Amino acid sequence: EVQLLESGGGLVQPGGSLRVSCAASGLTFSSSAMSWVRQAPGKGLEWVSAISGSGYSTYYADSVKGRFTISRDNSKNTLYLQMNSVRAEDTAVYYCAQGLLKIIDYWGQGTLVTVSS
Amino acid sequence: QSALTQPASVSGSPGQSITISCTGTSSDVGGYNYVSWYQQYPGKAPKLMIYDVSNRPSGVSNRFSGSKSGNTASLTISGLQAEDEADYYCSSYTSSNTLVFGGGTKLTVL
Repeated sequence: EVQLLESGGGLVQPGGSLRVSCAASGLTFSSSAMSWVRQAPGKGLEWVSAISGSGYSTYYADSVKGRFTISRDNSKNTLYLQMNSVRAEDTAVYYCAQGLLKIIDYWGQGTLVTVSS
Repeated sequence: QSALTQPASVSGSPGQSITISCTGTSSDVGGYNYVSWYQQYPGKAPKLMIYDVSNRPSGVSNRFSGSKSGNTASLTISGLQAEDEADYYCSSYTSSNTLVFGGGTKLTVL
């Protein structure tokens, strides 16, 4: 059974930085493309970023390009999202998910990031 | 990257069929057969229901079906059940090598 467990969410001030993580199990992590999708409170889903299994290829939504960085450590079966220069509109539940751009099949339970002073 | 267009809400009675539309452009929905549909209960993670326009993952009821015509994809739920009441989101691969979601549709089972 695929399990994705996000962590690292919390309160961060505008302009600050935060790194969220996702520990994966039940899948061959190094062969699995992974994504981050967020959902602002009471709003819809928004794709944020994706990364290939090797980590060589990365993709970003325009709304986070240049501020967020996706990465992975295949030796630790862990996915990361480094969030810099955060804004109030980055407040959301951040979901880790297995898949790239054409299909996202398994989702974690999410971690809440709140940007506020 | 504009969101795909979905109706904000749809409703139906138990046993009936409903269809949720998802409209994009030739750069996303119309250009590729990479449309997916997700079901989300309040406070829960989304669940994949349909991928590649019309394929069902293992374990998803055959009451759920997907189709596409031009720039509009559709999700049909037949034999509506109370447990189908949830939010539904479509998504599509785009020509910009990104993924775009629809705004979501709240399904109410009357």
